[in-house]
Amino acid sequence: EPEVTQTPSHQVTQMGQEVILRCVPISNHLYFYWYRQILGQKVEFLVSFYNNEISEKSEIFDDQFSVERPDGSNFTLKIRSTKLEDSAMYFCASRDRGLSGEQYFGPGTRLTVT
Amino acid sequence: AQSVTQPDIHITVSEGASLELRCNYSYGATPYLFWYVQSPGQGLQLLLKYFSGDTLVQGIKGFEAEFKRSQSSFNLRKPSVHWSDAAEYFCAVGADFPNDYKLSFGAGTTVTVRA
Repeated sequence: EPEVTQTPSHQVTQMGQEVILRCVPISNHLYFYWYRQILGQKVEFLVSFYNNEISEKSEIFDDQFSVERPDGSNFTLKIRSTKLEDSAMYFCASRDRGLSGEQYFGPGTRLTVT
Repeated sequence: AQSVTQPDIHITVSEGASLELRCNYSYGATPYLFWYVQSPGQGLQLLLKYFSGDTLVQGIKGFEAEFKRSQSSFNLRKPSVHWSDAAEYFCAVGADFPNDYKLSFGAGTTVTVRA
């Protein structure tokens, strides 16, 4: 069964450093998402991406964040200058064109900013 | 904007007993509703979804949920829980927005199963 994959599973970085989280969505999917979950809190929407552009972003997704689909298979989330409060689990999700709206989630990347 | 409330933070249930997890949503139009399960250290797995039609939906692992528009609820049930059902459960509502369908999640309910 096709699945969304994410790398790395765990990333430790120092405050102020740039990080890139990588996702490989399901191959025929067209809509891509990033969510994050701070430890002990709810899963929060960050950004949605369709047709090579951002379709919606949350207040969390400020200028420090960017997304890209560089090669037709990967979908990346970049944080330019990490802060302590960026420590969280980051989930990538994708869905196909259908009206079902069902999003398939990857296993997540745990980002720890020290 | 849509939102989801899961009133129960933590539920403990005996193995073999029934389970019901509550979910209330707020959304102006017809909601797209989902239940996801997250085991420790794992990602989110879809249990079931509601888009339209029959208000009682069946999912994987023996779960079902009932959509009640009048109560703005989408409660999850399982008649007989197994120890492997211990996990965190999230209710989510999807916005009916073109090319979007971003999900808003509730805070989650942690289920503990005792022998």
